[in-house]
Amino acid sequence: EIVMTQSPPTLSVSPGERATLSCRASQSLSSNLAWYQQKPGQAPRLLIYGASTRATGVPARFSGSGSGTEFTLTISSLQSGDFAIYYCHQYNNWPYTFGQGTKLEIK
Amino acid sequence: QVQLQESGPGLVEPSETLSLTCTVAGASINSNFWSWIRQPPGRGLECIGYIYHTGRIDYNPSLKSRVTISLDTSKNQFSLHLSSVIAADTAVYYCASGYEIFDYWGQGALVTVSS
Repeated sequence: EIVMTQSPPTLSVSPGERATLSCRASQSLSSNLAWYQQKPGQAPRLLIYGASTRATGVPARFSGSGSGTEFTLTISSLQSGDFAIYYCHQYNNWPYTFGQGTKLEIK
Repeated sequence: QVQLQESGPGLVEPSETLSLTCTVAGASINSNFWSWIRQPPGRGLECIGYIYHTGRIDYNPSLKSRVTISLDTSKNQFSLHLSSVIAADTAVYYCASGYEIFDYWGQGALVTVSS
């Protein structure tokens, strides 16, 4: 099973600033990596798939990059609604697995 | 717009079987892969398994001996059955469309395993 490690566990950023979230896989994923946003009491929301393709309706301030084992989610100019937990998810090898999440909180 | 809704008991006794149904609206159950994902309280997400109408099914090896996923095309629903549950199976259970990426999700159903 591929282990996904996200860092940092918690990230404190001020509104309007940039946030950079990292995700590392225990083996190569090619570009089979997605990012999800989850707010309290809600289901996760798909943000990015194929490591860098934004899902329908996702604002351009969300961008994904990376391939192989190292991936990054960047959120430029944070807005109040962006403070949430973010999960990376590999779908290269079954069972597909998620990272433990990065909590993005207001500084 | 695709909508999914989980339904089923919120409390299951240890050693019993957890059963949930996901009702799909806005899409045919024959048109996509469908998945179950769970999230223990305060923890991360775990893929349970997925199904396609052709009969293709796969389960997480960690649960494979206890889990069954099935389709009811007449009702546009798919179901999850998890047998011999223990306290560690307490989680919010989500149904979702897709099996590699999940673009539509249900709101989630909290299932507590307790006597």
